[in-house]
Amino acid sequence: AQSVSQHNHHVILSEAASLELGCNYSYGGTVNLFWYVQYPGQHLQLLLKYFSGDPLVKGIKGFEAEFIKSKFSFNLRKPSVQWSDTAEYFCAVNPPSGGYQKVTFGTGTKLQVIP
Amino acid sequence: SQTIHQWPATLVQPVGSPLSLECTVEGTSNPNLYWYRQAAGRGLQLLFYSVGIGQISSEVPQNLSASRPQDRQFILSSKKLLLSDSGFYLCAWSSGGTSGRLQYFGPGTRLTVT
Repeated sequence: AQSVSQHNHHVILSEAASLELGCNYSYGGTVNLFWYVQYPGQHLQLLLKYFSGDPLVKGIKGFEAEFIKSKFSFNLRKPSVQWSDTAEYFCAVNPPSGGYQKVTFGTGTKLQVIP
Repeated sequence: SQTIHQWPATLVQPVGSPLSLECTVEGTSNPNLYWYRQAAGRGLQLLFYSVGIGQISSEVPQNLSASRPQDRQFILSSKKLLLSDSGFYLCAWSSGGTSGRLQYFGPGTRLTVT
């Protein structure tokens, strides 16, 4: 079945460590890609998005993601994490055949940053 | 600016009881509206979406139903809850057309079925 995969379910890092969260999808064709973040006690919110153009996308709070079409991947990166980055991160894909309303989410990665 | 409200924030209901969760959006008109369920380790599952009053699309067969009685109101219901209905329910909205790719989420309702 077509899906979005996040292979890391729980990641624990020390402050200042580098972060890379993996996201792979199985849809062919043109896709729209997203990373959402849910901080403790807060709404799920958009971190960054890719629609077209430069495959390296920069988002809020120093996050970036790279779309690699040949690998069907959209990995999230941050060079130096902070304690405030502790949250759950969701990769999401708007597949080409589903219409703009349909966004498929991955299972999420819980990031814990230790001071 | 647009805001989205959900209530109640938490709910504990016995098996077999009915359910009604409400979502309202302010500051926009004719939004697309969505209900998701977030279960531990399973990410967000799209349950229903609506592109207009009375227009509901169901994504998965289940014990739940949705209705959109007004432009900015979206209701999730069940006649008889099952244990498997427990989870975190999120409502979201987006603009129509290509802008609908960006969805904005409410605070969610934590439902526990006992």
